[in-house]
Amino acid sequence: GEDVEQSLFLSVREGDSSVINCTYTDSSSTYLYWYKQEPGAGLQLLTYIFSNMDMKQDQRLTVLLNKKDKHLSLRIADTQTGDSAIYFCAERSSGGSYIPTFGRGTSLIVHP
Amino acid sequence: SAVISQKPSRDICQRGTSLTIQCQVDSQVTMMFWYRQQPGQSLTLIATANQGSEATYESGFVIDKFPISRPNLTFSTLTVSNMSPEDSSIYLCSVRERVNYGYTFGSGTRLTVV
Repeated sequence: GEDVEQSLFLSVREGDSSVINCTYTDSSSTYLYWYKQEPGAGLQLLTYIFSNMDMKQDQRLTVLLNKKDKHLSLRIADTQTGDSAIYFCAERSSGGSYIPTFGRGTSLIVHP
Repeated sequence: SAVISQKPSRDICQRGTSLTIQCQVDSQVTMMFWYRQQPGQSLTLIATANQGSEATYESGFVIDKFPISRPNLTFSTLTVSNMSPEDSSIYLCSVRERVNYGYTFGSGTRLTVV
């Protein structure tokens, strides 16, 4: 079945850029998402990208998609302590059950 | 995007009892889902809540343990029945958005079974 892989931890210094990586196996993935989960909260949709795009930028967030390698990344510019959270990558194909597959989440720790 | 109110936010329950979690959405949505999130693990889909019919359960989850109701397009409940410590987890409801093809989540219910 589909699989989504992420590294579990990332530690960065405040003000630096953070890059969170994700790989997936489903070649029919059409929608790819990044979610943020702060402690004690649900998942918040940060951004998404369609498979016919290779880049999407939204303020401090840049999503890069390499469809050939099935690799998705989320870059956060000028990382702040408020960005400390767990970031989930997810993918969904255009047909079928409309149920996304989530990675295990990357815990981003931002230190001063 | 849709706004979801999920209750309770947390609870501590005795083993053998049941807990019902509610999700109220501020708009009509076609697809609602229930997930379980264990520490350090990915989200695991329990079931899809279908309006007017029985929920569709994923492998490893059964209706007797996790009965789900969905009386209308804005509301659903998940019951965790006959709880054991292994049921301690965060439970999340989610809806599929029409506008941005994404999925919105409730704030979660942190359940501890003692």
